[in-house]
This record gives sequence, structure tokens and C-alpha cells, in this order.
Amino acid sequence: AQSVAQPEDQVNVAEGNPLTVKCTYSVSGNPYLFWYVQYPNRGLQFLLKYITGDNLVKGSYGFEAEFNKSQTSFHLKKPSALVSDSALYFCAVRTYNFNKFYFGSGTKLNVKP
Amino acid sequence: KAGVTQTPRYLIKTRGQQVTLSCSPISGHRSVSWYQQTPGQGLQFLFEYFSETQRNKGNFPGRFSGRQFSNSRSEMNVSTLELGDSALYLCASSLAEGASTDTQYFGPGTRLTVL
Repeated sequence: AQSVAQPEDQVNVAEGNPLTVKCTYSVSGNPYLFWYVQYPNRGLQFLLKYITGDNLVKGSYGFEAEFNKSQTSFHLKKPSALVSDSALYFCAVRTYNFNKFYFGSGTKLNVKP
Repeated sequence: KAGVTQTPRYLIKTRGQQVTLSCSPISGHRSVSWYQQTPGQGLQFLFEYFSETQRNKGNFPGRFSGRQFSNSRSEMNVSTLELGDSALYLCASSLAEGASTDTQYFGPGTRLTVL
């Protein structure tokens, strides 16, 4: 079965500090991995995706994510957090054979001034 | 280019009623997916349509149905509403022929409250 885990319900970071939001996955076949962000009462906004190639993927708003095949992880990172980054973050996986998106449970990021 | 639009944004219904939600995908996008988001269950996949055909379906009862029109616009219908159907319903569209590498772009959602 395809699944995605976001082990932390909430991550607290001080503004200006680096942030990491964790994601691990379990799939049959090669994974296609995505990160989305959701602000209150809004839909999900696409941040970045990994399909193939370079393990470090750069996306919108200064976010990046590193694909680690041996650890089956795709952690989201940002070198310097902003208060405006405070939101709900979702990791998702898809594979060639299973066309549905499987979403993690979400991680609430709180960036304190 | 306009994003995914969903109407209405908010709905209040009572138990036993039915409801129809509408989604207009990004121009040129042919695949539309629907999701239910609740605090307890997170994001759950409802179904996906491509070229007016349902291609994937999640684990929801038959009260939940959908369709896609020739212009790619999609509707979902929930009949005999239950309190547990209160949720944010999200629509997402993607460009290509449902390729697994495709990015889904989400609309703002319809907030359904069942009283």
C-alpha cells in the first residue's frame, strides 16, 4: 500500500532560524513526491516536487526539499523562516502505477517573531 | 491564467438534504480530482475525472458522486447529507493525461456545514 507519514503534528521555529518539516513515504515503485502549503480557509498551494534527477529540489518562497531514497524521506527545508511561513504543510506521494495522490496528515508550522 | 475556481465557497445544509458543488479547472487542464478535508481525517481522496470519465475512486459511500462535462468543469453531489459530511471540499486540476508526474493545482474549496 502507498502511504505518507508526517511524524510531527506541529513544528515551532523562531523567525530567522532554519526550519525542517519531515516526511517519509512507503510505496511500490519509484515515488513522485510533492509538498503543498495551506493557509487558513484556503486551498492547497503547490511548493515543489521531486520526479527524478537531483535529490535537492528547489521550490517556491525559498523552500527546498531533499529526496533520500535509502531513508525513504522527503523533508522540506528553508534556511531562514519567516512569520508568514506559518501554515499547514502537506507531503504527498504518487507512483506510476498508482495514479492517486496519497497525502500525509499535515504538519502545522508555527514561526514565532 | 485564472486558477481553479469552486462555487459556492460556503454552504449550510440540514441532514437529509442533498448538495451540488462545482469546480472549474485551470484552462487547458483535463483532469479534475475531488478531496474531502476534515480535522480528524485529514485529506481524503474522493474521485478523479478525466475526459468525462471517472478514472479513480476513493473509499466513500455511494451518496458521493461526481461528473465531468465536456469543457472539463466538474460537479460533485452528496445526497442524504449526514452531520459527518461537514468538511472543506477541495477540487484540484492537472494538465496532462493524468500522468503520475503531473502537479495538481487546488481551488480554494467549498466549506460545507451540515446541521
